[in-house]
Formats: sequence, structure tokens, C-alpha cells
Amino acid sequence: KNQVEQSPQSLIILEGKNCTLQCNYTVSPFSNLRWYKQDTGRGPVSLTIMTFSENTKSNGRYTATLDADTKQSSLHITASQLSDSASYICVVRDAYSGAGSYQLTFGKGTKLSVIP
Amino acid sequence: DSGVTQTPKHLITATGQRVTLRCSPRSGDLSVYWYQQSLDQGLQFLIQYYNGEERAKGNILERFSAQQFPDLHSELNLSSLELGDSALYFCASSSGDPMNTEAFFGQGTRLTVV
Repeated sequence: KNQVEQSPQSLIILEGKNCTLQCNYTVSPFSNLRWYKQDTGRGPVSLTIMTFSENTKSNGRYTATLDADTKQSSLHITASQLSDSASYICVVRDAYSGAGSYQLTFGKGTKLSVIP
Repeated sequence: DSGVTQTPKHLITATGQRVTLRCSPRSGDLSVYWYQQSLDQGLQFLIQYYNGEERAKGNILERFSAQQFPDLHSELNLSSLELGDSALYFCASSSGDPMNTEAFFGQGTRLTVV
């Protein structure tokens, strides 16, 4: 069964500090992995997407890494800001077979709180 | 603003009832996705439509159904509602059915079943 596990479940950091969120998956065959940011009560917004061949991708202060061999991804946030307080969701898509339908597997998210 | 419009924003209904949630995708987007997010739970993929046809199915209950109309808007029908169906329901759209295109999410419909 495809699974995506995220850790930690929640995290509190001081403004200006860095942090790293983890995502481990068992989705196979793998197509891509996306990190979303979801503010409370709002729809998720994509931060990065990574395919099998990509190891690192940055979006401003957000840097995602992917190790397809160990099936692990991380999201590193640099110089955190109060506006980074949100849930960060890891989503893995399996490869579209063409004959059937693909599946998206969502992690439960890491709730990040940045405090002054 | 993602360009995806969901209505209504809030809905309160009684158990056993039926409701319809509506989603208007971004202009030109052919794919529509529905998700459920229960309190303190992660997003659950329900179903995807591409240009009017069902393309992918997730953890969607038999009491739930969806469709995508010729103008590409989509509706999610929830029937015989139970207390456990209370959740945020998100719709997302993307420009096609490619491997890497981003899906843009609406603001969600908060359904409360009492």
C-alpha cells in the first residue's frame, strides 16, 4: 500500500531560525513528489515539485531535496518568517500507467509555528 | 487568488441529507480534482475528472459522486450524510493530465453535518 509519512507532526521555531521537514514514502512506481504549503482554512499552494532525476530544487527560502533510492525527501526553510506558519504537506504521485489511473498519496503534514 | 472558485464556502446540514458542492476551475484547465480534509487529518484525494471524463479515483465513498460538465465546472454530490462527513472539501484544477503540472486549489467548502 502506498504511504507517505511526514515528520515531525508539529514544530515550533523562533523567527529567523532554519528548519527541516521530512517526508518518507513507499509509493511505487514513483512519478513525482510535491511539497505544498497550507495556511489554516485555505487551500494548499505548491512550493516545489521534484521528479525522479532531481535531487534539489529551490523556491526562495524553501529548498527541497529528494533521494529516490531511499525514498526520502526533505523541505528546508531558511531564515524563517512569521508567515511561514502553516502546514506543509508532502504529496507523492505514482507513475501513470496509461491503462489505469494514477494515484496521489498525501502525507498528513507537518504543522509549523514560527514565533517571534 | 488561485482562480479556482468553490461554492458555497460554508454549508451546514443535517444527517441523512444530500448536498452539492460546486467548483469552477481556472480558465482553460481541463482537470478537476476533489479532496476531503477532515479535522486534524491530511488531505484525502477523492476523484479526478479530465475534460468531462473520470480519470482517477481515490478514497471516495459510494455515497459520494461527482461529475464534470461540458463547460468544465464540476460538482461533488454527497448523499446520506453522516456526522463523519463533516470536513473541508477542496477542489483543484490543472491545465491537463500531464505528469508535472501544478494543481491550483480553491478555498474550499466547509461542510458541517449536525
